[in-house]
Amino acid sequence: GAVVSQHPSRVICKSGTSVKIECRSLDFQATTMFWYRQFPKQSLMLMATSNEGSKATYEQGVEKDKFLINHASLTLSTLTVTSAHPEDSSFYICSAGRQDQPQHFGDGTRLSIL
Amino acid sequence: AQTVTQSQPEMSVQEAETVTLSCTYDTSESDYYLFWYKQPPSRQMILVIRQEAYKQQNATENRFSVNFQKAAKSFSLKISDSQLGDAAMYFCAYRSAYNNDMRFGAGTRLTVKP
Repeated sequence: GAVVSQHPSRVICKSGTSVKIECRSLDFQATTMFWYRQFPKQSLMLMATSNEGSKATYEQGVEKDKFLINHASLTLSTLTVTSAHPEDSSFYICSAGRQDQPQHFGDGTRLSIL
Repeated sequence: AQTVTQSQPEMSVQEAETVTLSCTYDTSESDYYLFWYKQPPSRQMILVIRQEAYKQQNATENRFSVNFQKAAKSFSLKISDSQLGDAAMYFCAYRSAYNNDMRFGAGTRLTVKP
């Protein structure tokens, strides 16, 4: 069964709306989770590393104020796309895992901004 | 920074035949992990196989095996007895042993012909 749960799987909303995506580790504690963005027919691009109890580490070029990450507990990280616009439409996917184990991925969230 | 290169955007194989997907990477680290992930149209990320850099023996998982050449920084995936269900995008990934950071190649789209 899934060890990382991501919700929602699909979001369609109007431009200007803020959207929150949740990523939960189901059977282990994850001090670190990762958020990726994937454009059609492209690879996964790391957006940020979510650290439990501290600020996220963002990759170069990723707007911190646009993509807010909160990792309030060892099993939950959230990504909020603030004031979303059509160019933010994409597939967002999270992952989590212990240091010496493979990363487990959520099933992803398809975000469409109208 | 670590980079992962997959030089084959698309590959095709006949059902029951064998295909090899190429991957090279660049790193100055001595301890790391390498992965192959499969992404079917559902966009789930499915772990295919994993290799620890400190292990000389090539990893094998049923019909999937790797050719890990550490000195050459090469990590190819061989799929034997290809099945229709193997058709998907395949991503090679590098993960540092020091910070859990994972980087993906651009991907190879595998088509399996009946």
